Amino acid sequence: AQSVAQPEDQVNVAEGNPLTVKCTYSVSGNPYLFWYVQYPNRGLQFLLKYITGDNLVKGSYGFEAEFNKSQTSFHLKKPSALVSDSALYFCAVRGPGGSYIPTFGRGTSLIVHP
Amino acid sequence: DAMVIQNPRYQVTQFGKPVTLSCSQTLNHNVMYWYQQKSSQAPKLLFHYYDKDFNNEADTPDNFQSRRPNTSFCFLDIRSPGLGDAAMYLCATSPLVGHHPQSNQPQHFGDGTRLSIL
Repeated sequence: AQSVAQPEDQVNVAEGNPLTVKCTYSVSGNPYLFWYVQYPNRGLQFLLKYITGDNLVKGSYGFEAEFNKSQTSFHLKKPSALVSDSALYFCAVRGPGGSYIPTFGRGTSLIVHP
Repeated sequence: DAMVIQNPRYQVTQFGKPVTLSCSQTLNHNVMYWYQQKSSQAPKLLFHYYDKDFNNEADTPDNFQSRRPNTSFCFLDIRSPGLGDAAMYLCATSPLVGHHPQSNQPQHFGDGTRLSIL
């Protein structure tokens, strides 16, 4: 079975400071890992993914994520937070070792204070 | 732009009155999903179509049904909505290549229908 843990319900950060949203996973074999963002009353929007290769992946809106196989983590990062980054963030894992149906974390609410 | 469109964006219905939510896509993706999402929680998968094959999650209530008349359209029918069915309903798609799911590709989500029950 595959699983995802997002240990923080909420992350607070001041505008201009770096942010990190944590994600750990469990899956058989190599994981496919994804981050999505959800703004109020909107669907989930894809931010970035890790499939293979470089452990640091870059995505939309200046976000990046670091894959760490030994720690089974895929933390989302941004060097300088914006108030407009305030949203709900979901980490997800899919096969090939696990199911093609993605498993989502419970979500982390990011609040960026002016 | 290719996309996933959900209609209506907001739906109000009465307790026990059947309601249908719709989803259309221009991505030509063979896999379509329906999720229920309550108050900033993770989306909960209700069912999905793997091409023409319908797959129901074990804990999806019988009250929820789905139809997919063609690749582009998918419907969620709630036969007798209860107060606990008030939620955001999200439609999503992902591609197949041949008969194989592209697990290395992200899902594409619509903006959802927010369902209220009076």
